[in-house]
Amino acid sequence: NAGVMQNPRHLVRRRGQEARLRCSPMKGHSHVYWYRQLPEEGLKFMVYLQKENIIDESGMPKERFSAEFPKEGPSILRIQQVVRGDSAAYFCASAGQGANSPLHFGNGTRLTVT
Amino acid sequence: TQLLEQSPQFLSIQEGENLTVYCNSSSVFSSLQWYRQEPGEGPVLLVTVVTGGEVKKLKRLTFQFGDARKDSSLHITAAQPGDTGLYLCAGAPADSGNTPLVFGKGTRLSVIA
Repeated sequence: NAGVMQNPRHLVRRRGQEARLRCSPMKGHSHVYWYRQLPEEGLKFMVYLQKENIIDESGMPKERFSAEFPKEGPSILRIQQVVRGDSAAYFCASAGQGANSPLHFGNGTRLTVT
Repeated sequence: TQLLEQSPQFLSIQEGENLTVYCNSSSVFSSLQWYRQEPGEGPVLLVTVVTGGEVKKLKRLTFQFGDARKDSSLHITAAQPGDTGLYLCAGAPADSGNTPLVFGKGTRLSVIA
């Protein structure tokens, strides 16, 4: 999973600040997924993107959260006006073409809101 | 909403013992994947099963996909401390081509030397 790069690894924000999480997919992958994981929980789907398009954002809160995957550069998950409940590990995964293409995960960004 | 239930939630065993963990659903999946996640890291894919009744082996790990493609099991033979981790199953729903993978909550395995 070293091919998917996420940064920063750890991010501390005060309530009300903005958090920007970055994800560079594996080379050749054009599908990017963002998941959130709380302690002792599995992964909860947030958003699925292809280059310049949001395919499925059904798991992402309607307010304060947004995601993009521009033609050039990494995918960005943006959380505005963070609250303590946003504290979690955020994982990005990329996949190639094909319905059964496995997900390759990055090592996550651990967001702590103080 | 497709749900994947994993059991047991926690499992602590001695080195050398065998174990089986389960992943169950009332929904049909076109494929199921098993991942292992270690602390501070992202999940790593272990296997993908696609055909109902399929059995795949990966060294001491044996994965089975149920005939009806609603459930799966992972059996580990002679567990070792290096097997410690969070085992996650994830399914691709059969009724929608673009629906992202649905994950279970995982089984947290601890193998004691």
